[in-house]
Amino acid sequence: QVQLQESGPGLVKPSQTLSLTCSVSGGGSISSGNYYWGWIRQPAGKGLEWIGRIYTNGATFYNPSLKSRVSISLDASKSQFSLELSSVTAADTAVYYCIREPPGSWGQGIQVTVSS
Amino acid sequence: QAVVSQEPSLTVSPGGTVTLTCGCSTGAVTSGQFPYWFQQMPGQAPKTLIYDTSKKQSWTPARFSGSLLGGKAALTLSGAQPEDEADYYCFILCSGGRVFGGGTRLTVL
Repeated sequence: QVQLQESGPGLVKPSQTLSLTCSVSGGGSISSGNYYWGWIRQPAGKGLEWIGRIYTNGATFYNPSLKSRVSISLDASKSQFSLELSSVTAADTAVYYCIREPPGSWGQGIQVTVSS
Repeated sequence: QAVVSQEPSLTVSPGGTVTLTCGCSTGAVTSGQFPYWFQQMPGQAPKTLIYDTSKKQSWTPARFSGSLLGGKAALTLSGAQPEDEADYYCFILCSGGRVFGGGTRLTVL
């Protein structure tokens, strides 16, 4: 069973870039197979928001509302994929989750707060 | 931007049956939009119940099933248990991107 684990800073200053990594174990190489590796976030008390995803061949797909600020990349040698979200504001404060599709395997989530 | 619609709240009696639906603003939902259903308990990460319309995870109770119904994705709970009280989110390809519904708060009462 594949396992995912998010890591990164829990506090980011406004206007800076939020950088998170998802470490993957138990599922073979993340650059093989027909899988999407994605990021999702959830502000406190609100619903889930799709940020974007990367296919095993490196093709990326982003939420149009975040597209200008988001970058997702894959590092198969480290069995990791990463999220960068630039020019953050308080509205980007949320729990961030990584996920593999299919079949929808989730990380436990990481709280990221944007504050000076 | 595309909108994915879900019932904001539903109530089901213990042992009863309830169907949650998920629609896409651009038209009928098909299997090619790969509907997912997630369950989220308070304070916990979401868990995948159903993926690709009707496929179950190993931990998905048999009382949950996924389907397409009337142009929407559907999650049916047959024989509701108190522990099924949770928020349920659908997740589909809608207008070219992955989109979440706003979630359905299911009460078992």
